[in-house]
Amino acid sequence: DTAVSQTPKYLVTQMGNDKSIKCEQNLGHDTMYWYKQDSKKFLKIMFSYNNKELIINETVPNRFSPKSPDKAHLNLHINSLELGDSAVYFCASSPSGKALGTEAFFGQGTRLTVV
Amino acid sequence: EDQVTQSPEALRLQEGESSSLNCSYTVSGLRGLFWYRQDPGKGPEFLFTLYSAGEEKEKERLKATLTKKESFLHITAPKPEDSATYLCAVDSGYALNFGKGTSLLVTP
Repeated sequence: DTAVSQTPKYLVTQMGNDKSIKCEQNLGHDTMYWYKQDSKKFLKIMFSYNNKELIINETVPNRFSPKSPDKAHLNLHINSLELGDSAVYFCASSPSGKALGTEAFFGQGTRLTVV
Repeated sequence: EDQVTQSPEALRLQEGESSSLNCSYTVSGLRGLFWYRQDPGKGPEFLFTLYSAGEEKEKERLKATLTKKESFLHITAPKPEDSATYLCAVDSGYALNFGKGTSLLVTP
């Protein structure tokens, strides 16, 4: 069974469109994340979310928004897509965002291409 | 602000040629230093967590060590299947803060 799964794996869309990426984890973790990996492979945190708290990296445009229907899911919605949004987006989860030394488990990534 | 710097950016080794990857970090209070491996087209895969200076952890040909300012990932007698990008991260309190990685290529 896949621990953290994302869909779709590939997403090609036009500028200005709105799209969503889904993420589900079956690990029973409390905290989920969205990371962006750019063309130089730099992995940068976008959001950290548990059922009590959303922490947003201040550099993330407000066109990006996480939506969590329940503890096992954290979807990423992107409005008015721009060329610069092209990247690989990773979902991750961990037992708790506040616990000391808690490793995160990652999904396989969604490669978003905006044309 | 937490900072993580990895070196070298890229490393090419011959099979059996041991080496080390470096991760320098600056944090207000270390909550954990993490090593991940990432293969092309896949998500990062967890390798180790280190919590305090002097701590060491091993897995097959990999050994991670930690001082107050840096961590090393030692690779002993690497094989081609060890080729990957190795990522270092620190716990920033709400998420892992990653370095830019070291791309390792091991040739037969």
